[in-house]
Amino acid sequence: GAGVSQTPSNKVTEKGKYVELRCDPISGHTALYWYRQSLGQGPEFLIYFQGTGAADDSGLPNDRFFAVRPEGSVSTLKIQRTERGDSAVYLCASSPQGASNTEAFFGQGTRLTVV
Amino acid sequence: AQSVTQPDIHITVSEGASLELRCNYSYGATPYLFWYVQSPGQGLQLLLKYFSGDTLVQGIKGFEAEFKRSQSSFNLRKPSVHWSDAAEYFCAVGTGTASKLTFGTGTRLQVTL
Repeated sequence: GAGVSQTPSNKVTEKGKYVELRCDPISGHTALYWYRQSLGQGPEFLIYFQGTGAADDSGLPNDRFFAVRPEGSVSTLKIQRTERGDSAVYLCASSPQGASNTEAFFGQGTRLTVV
Repeated sequence: AQSVTQPDIHITVSEGASLELRCNYSYGATPYLFWYVQSPGQGLQLLLKYFSGDTLVQGIKGFEAEFKRSQSSFNLRKPSVHWSDAAEYFCAVGTGTASKLTFGTGTRLQVTL
C-alpha cells in the first residue's frame, strides 16, 4: 500500500477484555515496529520484527502483551486482560530494513481506550 | 541506555518569528538523530534526520537542525514560523543495528497570529 495502515483507528473495550490491533506495513518493508504513546508522552518502543521473527521484544511491558507477524507482512498486537493503564495510542512503523540509518514510516495509530 | 531530553514542554511563537526547539541526547557512540512532527489525529511525519557527514541538516517545510557532538544536542530551527507549523515535535535517537527509536517527551508548538 501507499503507507502504513492501522486498524481500527479507535477501539473502546472493557477492562479485562482481549483486543487485537492490526498493522499493514508498506509493501516490501521487512522491518516492522510497534510503539505505544501515552497521553503527553513520546512514543515508547514495544517490539521489532525483522521478517517473521521478533528480533527485539524488550519493550513489551508484561506477558499480557504479545505480537505476531506470521507471514512477514501484516502484524497483530494482542493484549489480554486489558487494564485501564493500557489506554494509549498504539503506533506501528515499517522500514525497508532494520537498520538505524533507514527511515521508519509511521501509521496513524490505533487509539485504545479501556473503560 | 540512551535517552532524549526535550526541556521545553510548550512553546508559543508569533507567526513569522524564528523558532528553535531544543533536544539533548545521551548515548555513548555516534547516534542517528531524528525530528518528527505530529499534528492532532495524525501520524508521525519525519522532518529530518542526521546519520553522518555535514552536521547541519536540511529537512522538509523549511526546517533545519544542527548536530553538536560537544553539547550532545540536535536543536531544530526554522527562520520564519507559519501558523500551520503548530503541532507536537518529537526528537528521537536511533542506535545500533536496529532502528528502534528512543523518543523525547515532545514539545508542543503554538503559533499566534
